[in-house]
Amino acid sequence: KQEVTQIPAALSVPEGENLVLNCSFTDSAIYNLQWFRQDPGKGLTSLLLIQSSQREQTSGRLNASLDKSSGRSTLYIAASQPGDSATYLCAPLGSQGNLIFGKGTKLSVKP
Amino acid sequence: DTAVSQTPKYLVTQMGNDKSIKCEQNLGHDTMYWYKQDSKKFLKIMFSYNNKELIINETVPNRFSPKSPDKAHLNLHINSLELGDSAVYFCASSTSGRPPDTQYFGPGTRLTVL
Repeated sequence: KQEVTQIPAALSVPEGENLVLNCSFTDSAIYNLQWFRQDPGKGLTSLLLIQSSQREQTSGRLNASLDKSSGRSTLYIAASQPGDSATYLCAPLGSQGNLIFGKGTKLSVKP
Repeated sequence: DTAVSQTPKYLVTQMGNDKSIKCEQNLGHDTMYWYKQDSKKFLKIMFSYNNKELIINETVPNRFSPKSPDKAHLNLHINSLELGDSAVYFCASSTSGRPPDTQYFGPGTRLTVL
């Protein structure tokens, strides 16, 4: 059974810092891995999707890496801004076609 | 243009009632999902539908029944509501190709059972 762990659970940084969010998963038999953002009281916004054959994906200030064999993914956020404050969720896609979510990292970026 | 929409956004009801949540996607996707986010913010898959067939059913009580009238809609019916059903329910959709593509989520329906 796939289990997803995200570290840290919460993170508070001053504006402008570069930061790394970590995700680990126990079953490496995944099709892909998605990183999502969830704002309070809102739905999920897909940030990046990395296919199992890829090592990383970039979108603007975001860079996600995937090491499938070791069951790890990281989300790198460059030059953080207050608008980046949200909960970030990691979700590998398993063989049954369903996403398995971690509990998320709650990020707060202070002006 | 709303890609995945859900109605209602909020639903407050009494224990024992039957309620439905509707979901529609205009992305042309052929797979739709229902997820539940509990009070601890933990998101978990409930169902998915591909071409009108249920392909996942994670140990969800049979009081919950997904109904898909067509490829663009997946509604969630809940019978005999219980206090523990209070949660936020998210609908999502994706294509079913290989490799699988991004899942797009609706805004969620916050269900409160009193």
